[in-house]
Amino acid sequence: QKEVEQNSGPLSVPEGAIASLNCTYSDRVSQSFFWYRQYSGKSPELIMSIYSNGDKEDGRFTAQLNKASQYVSLLIRDSQPSDSATYLCAVNRFGNEKLTFGTGTRLTIIP
Amino acid sequence: SAVISQKPSRDICQRGTSLTIQCQVDSQVTMMFWYRQQPGQSLTLIATANQGSEATYESGFVIDKFPISRPNLTFSTLTVSNMSPEDSSIYLCSVNPSGSVNEQFFGPGTRLTVL
Repeated sequence: QKEVEQNSGPLSVPEGAIASLNCTYSDRVSQSFFWYRQYSGKSPELIMSIYSNGDKEDGRFTAQLNKASQYVSLLIRDSQPSDSATYLCAVNRFGNEKLTFGTGTRLTIIP
Repeated sequence: SAVISQKPSRDICQRGTSLTIQCQVDSQVTMMFWYRQQPGQSLTLIATANQGSEATYESGFVIDKFPISRPNLTFSTLTVSNMSPEDSSIYLCSVNPSGSVNEQFFGPGTRLTVL
C-alpha cells in the first residue's frame, strides 16, 4: 500500500462546477496535510494546508480532513479553466519535517 | 513563504559528466530539501540538507551520486554525478521558512536532460 494515494485522473469538471479531489494516507501518526497545485512545466505551489479534523476554507478552496478515516480532500468551487493543473497531496509525519507526496490528480476544467 | 531561485533552469548534459544545481533563498532557513520529479511522476525526496552537518539521504539515494553542500543558511547545491539518461528529470529544492509548521515552498526547478 502506498503511503499517500490519489486517483491519477484525469478528472474533468465543467466550468463553474465543484471539483472534488481526494487523498488517502496510510500512516496514522501523520499530522500535517497539504495540497499543492502544479501547472505543466512549473514547480508545485502550496495552496492549502490543514492540521486538524474538519474543514478549512480559503477563497474558492476548501480542504477537508478526517483523521479517523485517514482521508483528506480538496474542493474547488466555481471551477475556472485556470484551475486545470495537477493537484498533489502531501503528508507530514509527526516529528518529521519530511513530506510524502501522492502521485497527483490531473484536473481539467472544461469551458 | 520565501523567494527561491535555482540555477541553471535547464541543461542538456552528456553521459558520464556531472552537473551542480544551485538553490538560493531570500531568507535564512534551517532545512532545505532536494527532490526529483521524473517525467509524469510525483516528487521523490532525495535528501535533506542542514547547515553545518551532512545531508540526510533517503533510501535509494547515496552521497557519491548526489553530493550536497550547505555552506550557509540561504544556499545549497546538489550535484548529479556520473550522469546517465536515467537521471533525466526535474530537480527541485524546497524550504520550510517558518520552522514551526511543515509547509514547504519550492524553487522553480532545474530540468535536466542527459544524452
